[in-house]
Amino acid sequence: QQPVQSPQAVILREGEDAVINCSSSKALYSVHWYRQKHGEAPIFLMILLKGGEQKGHDKISASFNEKKQQSSLYLTASQLSYSGTYFCGTEEGAQKLVFGQGTRLTINP
Amino acid sequence: GAGVSQSPSNKVTEKGKDVELRCDPISGHTALYWYRQSLGQGLEFLIYFQGNSAPDKSGLPSDRFSAERTGGSVSTLTIQRTQQEDSAVYLCASSYQGRGGYTFGSGTRLTVV
Repeated sequence: QQPVQSPQAVILREGEDAVINCSSSKALYSVHWYRQKHGEAPIFLMILLKGGEQKGHDKISASFNEKKQQSSLYLTASQLSYSGTYFCGTEEGAQKLVFGQGTRLTINP
Repeated sequence: GAGVSQSPSNKVTEKGKDVELRCDPISGHTALYWYRQSLGQGLEFLIYFQGNSAPDKSGLPSDRFSAERTGGSVSTLTIQRTQQEDSAVYLCASSYQGRGGYTFGSGTRLTVV
């Protein structure tokens, strides 16, 4: 079952914050987050395992609420380089990821 | 290798022809995945391998699609009797023992005319 991402698209000015949500109808083993720039391969950002942990690096962090089967990606003080399409991928224990439909993030100067 | 390598990078084929797409994963990565991405769309799961075995083929769209992996390394995705709806970017990814983040290749852009 494909996870649902929201919003579908976000437009920000440089320095603003954004939150991207990922919701599943199934119990999850882990959640992955990837960023894909136009014409390029998706790049792995981080993985969150069940346990409600929060991870982050630089100004990008994420949380995972196992009970609610939801994850959120937080981008603070956005930079132009953050532009791209963000995908969450959910793992239900079958060792494969099912990806959401993506959230297109545009950062303007 | 240093990254996941896919070939060819672009393939234009006539409707009804067979095509083979190749993926060379990162050395030591036992798990290998194939996804399909249509223009402006998300990533559609096709199949995954653990070693040379394919525990989950549930995403293959039809029996025209098949894949194999040999020596726990290179994988080939074959599409027989291609149709226009097969046009997409086919992405391969690998991960270490099926855990941790995926490393994606640059993909093969398939166009069926």
